[in-house]
Amino acid sequence: AQSVTQPDIHITVSEGASLELRCNYSYGATPYLFWYVQSPGQGLQLLLKYFSGDTLVQGIKGFEAEFKRSQSSFNLRKPSVHWSDAAEYFCAVGPGNTGGFKTIFGAGTRLFVKA
Amino acid sequence: GAGVSQSPRYKVAKRGQDVALRCDPISGHVSLFWYQQALGQGPEFLTYFQNEAQLDKSGLPSDRFFAERPEGSVSTLKIQRTQQEDSAVYLCASSLVGQRNTEAFFGQGTRLTVV
Repeated sequence: AQSVTQPDIHITVSEGASLELRCNYSYGATPYLFWYVQSPGQGLQLLLKYFSGDTLVQGIKGFEAEFKRSQSSFNLRKPSVHWSDAAEYFCAVGPGNTGGFKTIFGAGTRLFVKA
Repeated sequence: GAGVSQSPRYKVAKRGQDVALRCDPISGHVSLFWYQQALGQGPEFLTYFQNEAQLDKSGLPSDRFFAERPEGSVSTLKIQRTQQEDSAVYLCASSLVGQRNTEAFFGQGTRLTVV
């Protein structure tokens, strides 16, 4: 069955420090992969997506993610975190080209930023 | 409007009451999704429309849940005889075309509390 695992429920980093949020997926074929951010009381905003091609993808707000097929991972990174990055981050896997329309989300990682 | 609009933003229902949640997608968007997000969890897929056709309703948790999009634009998610376990944020998303790799835009959600 398709699944997404975000091992870290919450992470705290200092402002200016680097960030890596982990995501592992289980999927039978090449998936479509996404990272979304959700601020309190807000909907989900797409940070970046991977469909094919270059395995290192750049997104908005200085985020990037790397698709590693051998590890079934799609970790999100940012070299220098800003206080405004504090939010909930969700990794998601789309149906790819195998049919269906269901996108499956991980449980999320809450990011806290300390001054 | 500029984005996906959901109403009401907050709804408190007594157990057993019927509720209707509205989603106004971005104008011209073909695809529309409903998700349920329980507290501390990631969104879970409920149903998918392509224009007025409901192509996937596999995520609806029971026959008390019903969704429609009669004219291919506005959608309504109806929950009959609400139960406490229905308390969650209900998110609507739309995308421009019916392709699986198209970015979906999310509304701010409706927070339903069943008391």
